[in-house]
Amino acid sequence: DADVTQTPRNRITKTGKRIMLECSQTKGHDRMYWYRQDPGLGLRLIYYSFDVKDINKGEISDGYSVSRQAQAKFSLSLESAIPNQTALYFCATSDSSILRDTQYFGPGTRLTVL
Amino acid sequence: KQEVTQIPAALSVPEGENLVLNCSFTDSAIYNLQWFRQDPGKGLTSLLLIQSSQREQTSGRLNASLDKSSGRSTLYIAASQPGDSATYLCALDLMDSNYQLIWGAGTKLIIKP
Repeated sequence: DADVTQTPRNRITKTGKRIMLECSQTKGHDRMYWYRQDPGLGLRLIYYSFDVKDINKGEISDGYSVSRQAQAKFSLSLESAIPNQTALYFCATSDSSILRDTQYFGPGTRLTVL
Repeated sequence: KQEVTQIPAALSVPEGENLVLNCSFTDSAIYNLQWFRQDPGKGLTSLLLIQSSQREQTSGRLNASLDKSSGRSTLYIAASQPGDSATYLCALDLMDSNYQLIWGAGTKLIIKP
């Protein structure tokens, strides 16, 4: 079983709709991240959370919100989707007990906003 | 602002060749540099992490080097195989980044049988 899972894996929605992407992990890590990837660009950080009560904006948080429901779950919401939010979205985790450790990624959610 | 560049954006080579992927960056104040592999539908997987104090790291047929003074890292793949086909991304962990990685756009590698 995958350590970091994302649902849905693919989603097509319309402009103005609210949509939630979910991420769950079984790695026991305290830190979780949401990224988006656009063609020809590197990953860009949307939000990150160092524990359940600690949520931080990343480079491109406008138009997005997040919820850390438990240590293992971190959800990303688009309150009113727009076409330029069409992208590949990744959730990642890391372990704060390991200094500057690597991040572990989910398989991604491909979101298309029409 | 830190910029991370990976050139070329795509590379196609015959099976068996040794090859080098490049990553350049503008700010040398880093904790570490990582190389990731991205396969379609499978997310990203960390391949090698080089600490700021290190010059290189090796894992199997992969060798990554780091030269902070020139702002360059290379990923060397020996005896390439079709299974090495993927997109390879480098990411920097900056000293003033609060654990935010800065990513290159990646090099898409195709190994032809």
